[in-house]
Amino acid sequence: QPQLQGSGPGLVKPSETLSLTCTVSGASIGGASYHWGWIRQPPGKGLEWIATISRTGRSDYNPSLRSRVTVSVDTSNNQFSLRLDSVTAADTAVYYCAGLIVGAAKYWGRGTLVTVSS
Amino acid sequence: EIVLTQSPGTLSLSPGEGGTLSCRASQTVSSNYLAWYQQKPGQAPRLLIYGASTRADGVPVRFSGSVSGADFTLSIGRLEPEDFAVYYCQQYGSSPWTFGQGTKVDIK
Repeated sequence: QPQLQGSGPGLVKPSETLSLTCTVSGASIGGASYHWGWIRQPPGKGLEWIATISRTGRSDYNPSLRSRVTVSVDTSNNQFSLRLDSVTAADTAVYYCAGLIVGAAKYWGRGTLVTVSS
Repeated sequence: EIVLTQSPGTLSLSPGEGGTLSCRASQTVSSNYLAWYQQKPGQAPRLLIYGASTRADGVPVRFSGSVSGADFTLSIGRLEPEDFAVYYCQQYGSSPWTFGQGTKVDIK
């Protein structure tokens, strides 16, 4: 079964870009029957879906973030990535990458705490 | 956007008791694409139920999901100590996918 490991900086300055990568092992990101997604959780709060991408690169975004978010797949490195532009303190959260069965997140990375602060 | 409202906010139970968590959708959830997750402090959520009533791999049979119209229910029979956690519902039938605000199950 897939194992997911997120990586990226833990501190981003306001107005800059947050970039995270999720490395998948135990399954081929291009050949598996999963979709891949990003979900975040502000400290002490609930879960928010950010975006989903299929193995073919077809993506879907939360409208509340659509103008600032880009997700992509790198099948050669078995990774998928998240880019969030123009961050503010409201984007401070634990960011999870996930492997999805239809839309249910069956496999989760550990989560990366990203703090937006100068 | 489908809004999911979970109730109660907190459910206080004793080990060995059973409990019922509710998740009400503001609109019809297509194909009953509703999942339940369990989250413990400092951990990623764990998928318990998908498709409203199908247990994920390795999930104990004391967890069950059901649906009646726009009302989804997660039932936990005879709580074990490891079941005390926060539970979230999520719909993935319509974009944007949305989560409920969570129900905390704590020890009475």
